[in-house]
Amino acid sequence: SAVISQKPSRDICQRGTSLTIQCQVDSQVTMMFWYRQQPGQSLTLIATANQGSEATYESGFVIDKFPISRPNLTFSTLTVSNMSPEDSSIYLCSVDQPLEAFFGQGTRLTVV
Amino acid sequence: QQPVQSPQAVILREGEDAVINCSSSKALYSVHWYRQKHGEAPVFLMILLKGGEQKGHEKISASFNEKKQQSSLYLTASQLSYSGTYFCGTEWGDYKLSFGAGTTVTVRA
Repeated sequence: SAVISQKPSRDICQRGTSLTIQCQVDSQVTMMFWYRQQPGQSLTLIATANQGSEATYESGFVIDKFPISRPNLTFSTLTVSNMSPEDSSIYLCSVDQPLEAFFGQGTRLTVV
Repeated sequence: QQPVQSPQAVILREGEDAVINCSSSKALYSVHWYRQKHGEAPVFLMILLKGGEQKGHEKISASFNEKKQQSSLYLTASQLSYSGTYFCGTEWGDYKLSFGAGTTVTVRA
């Protein structure tokens, strides 16, 4: 199993600013995933972060808005840039292990 | 493409059973089931793979019909702790999960 530490757990940010979310895994993993969960909604995949290559973004998400870093096999960051109230969501990182996927505890972001 | 989950919500009394369904329009490689309680991250319940392999918690059971591209999660003899929102996540061999809209389960004493 994998243990994922995600921080910050929550933040309140001013519109127009940026927030970087960190995700640390206790073992080496090939792929890490970033999801967004808007209030009362399901989880939507933002991008896949692979070590040594650029992240792969899903439709509707762009690198300028959600830049991702993956410097090694245990760590990744997601930045939410130039925030607006519509970015208020829970952001979760996830890793895929054989026969199971694990989520971090999430970052609850409120943009005011 | 987002899988379709049903029902949207279900209310149970302790000890009652329920079934949550998840269907996909594309051929599936695996189906994951998660439960999320308010304010918490999703918690893994079960994975079912094409070919019949599966892994999950002892008290949770599920089925996977590859031909129909459907999966069902069975909540048996429900307990108060079963309350939460259940999500199915479908995967088509690329390790990325697409989640259904969720089923809210409320178990009452």
